[in-house]
Amino acid sequence: GAVVSQHPSRVICKSGTSVKIECRSLDFQATTMFWYRQFPKQSLMLMATSNEGSKATYEQGVEKDKFLINHASLTLSTLTVTSAHPEDSSFYICSAIRPGQNEQYFGPGTRLTVT
Amino acid sequence: QKEVEQDPGPLSVPEGAIVSLNCTYSNSAFQYFMWYRQYSRKGPELLMYTYSSGNKEDGRFTAQVDKSSKYISLFIRDSQPSDSATYLCAMSESSGTYKYIFGTGTRLKVLA
Repeated sequence: GAVVSQHPSRVICKSGTSVKIECRSLDFQATTMFWYRQFPKQSLMLMATSNEGSKATYEQGVEKDKFLINHASLTLSTLTVTSAHPEDSSFYICSAIRPGQNEQYFGPGTRLTVT
Repeated sequence: QKEVEQDPGPLSVPEGAIVSLNCTYSNSAFQYFMWYRQYSRKGPELLMYTYSSGNKEDGRFTAQVDKSSKYISLFIRDSQPSDSATYLCAMSESSGTYKYIFGTGTRLKVLA
């Protein structure tokens, strides 16, 4: 089956610093990847759609200058949380779509803790 | 009203029981319906993917979609302790619009 990886799996950073999270599709090329955020005991909330070679599409209420998304290759999308604050602490999950299919395959998630 | 409603549980059942998990939705444009399993602090894992109304079976799992009632179900037969997880339903309007709307997830505990 499809495999999507994320790195790091867990990160702790200080308030005001920036953190980069990588999402890779390991056995297929993904023109579209998605970034979600999940707070404890809540569902996944779509943050943005990442398209290879073009600007990401952000959902309403998500600050594009704070959550920078780069999809520079067909197997890699990155999410950078800039000037992180404690309220940004969450579980960040990416997903990718295998070409020719409709299903989203999710990565294992990255737990961000901002102190 | 949320677009997708799902009872958060927790739902506790004895090992071997048949489990029924459900979601209701309000958007009649949804055509693709998915069920994901998520273990604690892990990413969601796709279990079932169905299009439009009807049933789909895969091993111990059966997914049902009733578009007329805007209601979908996931049945788990012969439940095992390893099935203990959070089950998320997700829906999409079309294959060209990959935006998924997720339910809040139902936490399932299968007791040995």
